[in-house]
Amino acid sequence: AQKVTQAQTEISVVEKEDVTLDCVYETRDTTYYLFWYKQPPSGELVFLIRRNSFDEQNEISGRYSWNFQKSTSSFNFTITASQVVDSAVYFCALSSGGNEKLTFGTGTRLTIIP
Amino acid sequence: DTGVSQDPRHKITKRGQNVTFRCDPISEHNRLYWYRQTLGQGPEFLTYFQNEAQLEKSRLLSDRFSAERPKGSFSTLEIQRTEQGDSAMYLCASSRTSGRDIQYFGAGTRLSVL
Repeated sequence: AQKVTQAQTEISVVEKEDVTLDCVYETRDTTYYLFWYKQPPSGELVFLIRRNSFDEQNEISGRYSWNFQKSTSSFNFTITASQVVDSAVYFCALSSGGNEKLTFGTGTRLTIIP
Repeated sequence: DTGVSQDPRHKITKRGQNVTFRCDPISEHNRLYWYRQTLGQGPEFLTYFQNEAQLEKSRLLSDRFSAERPKGSFSTLEIQRTEQGDSAMYLCASSRTSGRDIQYFGAGTRLSVL
């Protein structure tokens, strides 16, 4: 069985602050893939990143960075110098073993206050 | 590439009526997925196709639900005898070959059953 937990339901920060969104996953498989998606008010899920279980290198893309730690089964997402356009619901997802489906967390609603 | 397209964007129906949604995946994507998202939750997997073959169905997909992808291109999701509990956002995604590939999502069809 696979499970994703996003304990933070809602987060509000003032613009230009840094914010970290937590994601904890569970799987018995040694091969798995982790994803982050952004869902703005329009509703469309926008792909942000994919990470496989064999690559623990952290990744940075502009203001976004991801911290993958197998020891704690976490794949956290940090936005640096947040902007109002970052306001959205963010989902962490897992695909493991031979599973074709994505298992999503319940999402974190991020609000950036101008 | 044009993105994943879903039609209609919104559907309001009365309980007991049948509804059909359409999804056009990204060209040459072999995999097509359907998910359902209720308010405050992450998307939940319903079913997926490899070309025209439906390879997996979630237990969430009751007998009133049927999905097809007749020519391996677009897909339809039909709900018969709709119930108020069917009210949700229905999301379609496509990927190149397998679950480890990035799934690209459409904007969804929001169903309201009155």
